[in-house]
Amino acid sequence: EVQLVESGGVVVQPGGSLRLSCAASGFTFEDFAFHWVRQAPGKGLEWVSLISWDGGSTYYADSVKGRFTISRDNTKNSLYLEMNSLRPEDTAFYYCAKDSPLTHWGLGTLVTVSS
Amino acid sequence: EIVLTQSPGTLSLSPGERATLSCRASQTISSSYLAWYQQKPGQAPRLLIYGESSRATGIPDRFSGSGSETDFTLTISRLEPEDFAVYYCQQYGRSPLTFGGGTKVEFK
Repeated sequence: EVQLVESGGVVVQPGGSLRLSCAASGFTFEDFAFHWVRQAPGKGLEWVSLISWDGGSTYYADSVKGRFTISRDNTKNSLYLEMNSLRPEDTAFYYCAKDSPLTHWGLGTLVTVSS
Repeated sequence: EIVLTQSPGTLSLSPGERATLSCRASQTISSSYLAWYQQKPGQAPRLLIYGESSRATGIPDRFSGSGSETDFTLTISRLEPEDFAVYYCQQYGRSPLTFGGGTKVEFK
């Protein structure tokens, strides 16, 4: 069974940094691209970032470009999102999702940016 | 960036009725890269339809997708109680990937 479990969401001050993780199991992790998608409370879905199967290609939404970095460790079956210069508008549930289209999603982790 | 506009914002229907949800793109996209997701309160989204009209694993055949170029439709032939949720379209053929704003299907 495919499982994706996000972690790392906390309350952080504006300007702060955070690293989210996504632990994957139940499939061959290195065969697939992965995404981060976020959802502000009560709002719609916003795609954040994509990383290719080998980490060689990465893509970002304009809203996070230059501040967020997606990465992966295929030896640990893990996906990461390094978030810097956080803003209140980055407050959201952050989901990791597998493949394109996004066939499987984790349950999400909540990031709150507030002073 | 490809902007996806979903309509209506809210659809008020009764179980057994047919639901027709629209997704319009700001520029032509290949139907091979158009997907629909369902999200219920407190849950992660779930893939329903991809490649315009292919159902994801375990999705019942009352869900169907159609359309081309800039106009796409998700149809639920007969609403079941568990179908009342928010539905999002997404294009995944070009970066940045984008989602529509969602259509909420609610009980009438």
